Amino acid sequence: AQTVTQSQPEMSVQEAETVTLSCTYDTSESDYYLFWYKQPPSRQMILVIRQEAYKQQNATENRFSVNFQKAAKSFSLKISDSQLGDAAMYFCAFIIQGAQKLVFGQGTRLTINP
Amino acid sequence: ETGVTQSPTHLIKTRGQQVTLRCSSQSGHNTVSWYQQALGQGPQFIFQYYREEENGRGNFPPRFSGLQFPNYSSELNVNALELDDSALYLCASSLGSSRFYEQYFGPGTRLTVT
Repeated sequence: AQTVTQSQPEMSVQEAETVTLSCTYDTSESDYYLFWYKQPPSRQMILVIRQEAYKQQNATENRFSVNFQKAAKSFSLKISDSQLGDAAMYFCAFIIQGAQKLVFGQGTRLTINP
Repeated sequence: ETGVTQSPTHLIKTRGQQVTLRCSSQSGHNTVSWYQQALGQGPQFIFQYYREEENGRGNFPPRFSGLQFPNYSSELNVNALELDDSALYLCASSLGSSRFYEQYFGPGTRLTVT
């Protein structure tokens, strides 16, 4: 079975500080893509960062970076210098190469305290 | 470049009725995927349409059906609505079979079944 587990239903962080969101996944496939999506109250799912499983180097997008541990099937998201606009639901997801469906976790609600 | 759009934004239906939701894909994209997101959950894959044919289906009953038109826009139809069908319905478009993993989401349609 293909599953994604986000063990932190809620997280909070002070503005300008760093926060890490956890994600583990399960698949028997070796070729896949991992994602973190942000869903603000506007509901639109916005891609934050993508990691190809065949790449050993961790992806980085400005203040967002991941720690990808393929053997452990772990894919955490680090947000540096947190901003008020980062407040949202964050979903971890993956898709097998050539497959149609994204498999999502349950989400982590991130609150930024001013 | 036009992003993914969905209509309507919200709608309320009564149990047993039928509903049609619409999605316009991003310019140049020929693939549309539909997801159901229940309150407090991650999105669940319903099905995907690629070049006007169904190309993969999740664990949803046959009363969930779809269409894709020559301009690659898509409809999701749900017959015999049940209370549990109340959810946010998201569509996502992508470019071709080699890029199914790169899905761009619309803002969603919030369906309430009473």
